[in-house]
Amino acid sequence: QSALTQPASVSGSPGQSITISCTGTSSDVGGYNYVSWYQQHPDKAPKLMIYDVSNRPSGVSNRFSGSKSGNTASLTISGLQAEDEADYYCSSYTSISSYVFGTGTKVTVL
Amino acid sequence: QITLKESGPTLVKPTQTLTLTCTFSGFSLSTSGVGVGWIRQPPGKALEWLAIIYWDDDKRHSPSLKSRLTITKDTSRNQVVLTMTNMDPVDTATYYCARRFGGIDAFDIWGQGTMLTVSS
Repeated sequence: QSALTQPASVSGSPGQSITISCTGTSSDVGGYNYVSWYQQHPDKAPKLMIYDVSNRPSGVSNRFSGSKSGNTASLTISGLQAEDEADYYCSSYTSISSYVFGTGTKVTVL
Repeated sequence: QITLKESGPTLVKPTQTLTLTCTFSGFSLSTSGVGVGWIRQPPGKALEWLAIIYWDDDKRHSPSLKSRLTITKDTSRNQVVLTMTNMDPVDTATYYCARRFGGIDAFDIWGQGTMLTVSS
């Protein structure tokens, strides 16, 4: 089970919108609407930001949104803020009833 | 309040067997749909999913590590135990346990993580 592919880094200025992609296969991202996204600040545990492709847990800002097309899922952060600077990981359920994480994306707020 | 906390050694030697315990509160692993998983993260690297155990005792493991992993639960003690055999320096990482809440395929609550070094 190969890791999902994410860009190593994405940057944007405060107030801008950025999008992080997460590319898998038909055996994971493309086959299920079970893509989730996690935010991780340095030396902290990951935090769930999006589940089931586009759903936000209670308490997560509506500036975070998720979508999927084919084998690629995306996380969009609108109105970028300094506190959004972190690492972001996607994850997907797979055809062998396991989970796989992405390679991770470092978001920098310029 | 829902919490999970990992415990175990901070240092093991190569070829030894690792035992990690996840002790949780605020939910029950006998509730339909609930699971507890293990995820690790080598220093400066990405998250890697290891294993999960569900309320009905169904267990799933990473294909690449399946032969080395065992996951069990003690529902009465609110604990999940992960054992990993034949440890190697590449297994040096922070190990997290996390809850998979019934109805969603995601890990909604995470422990703080425990750092493990494998070295002779």
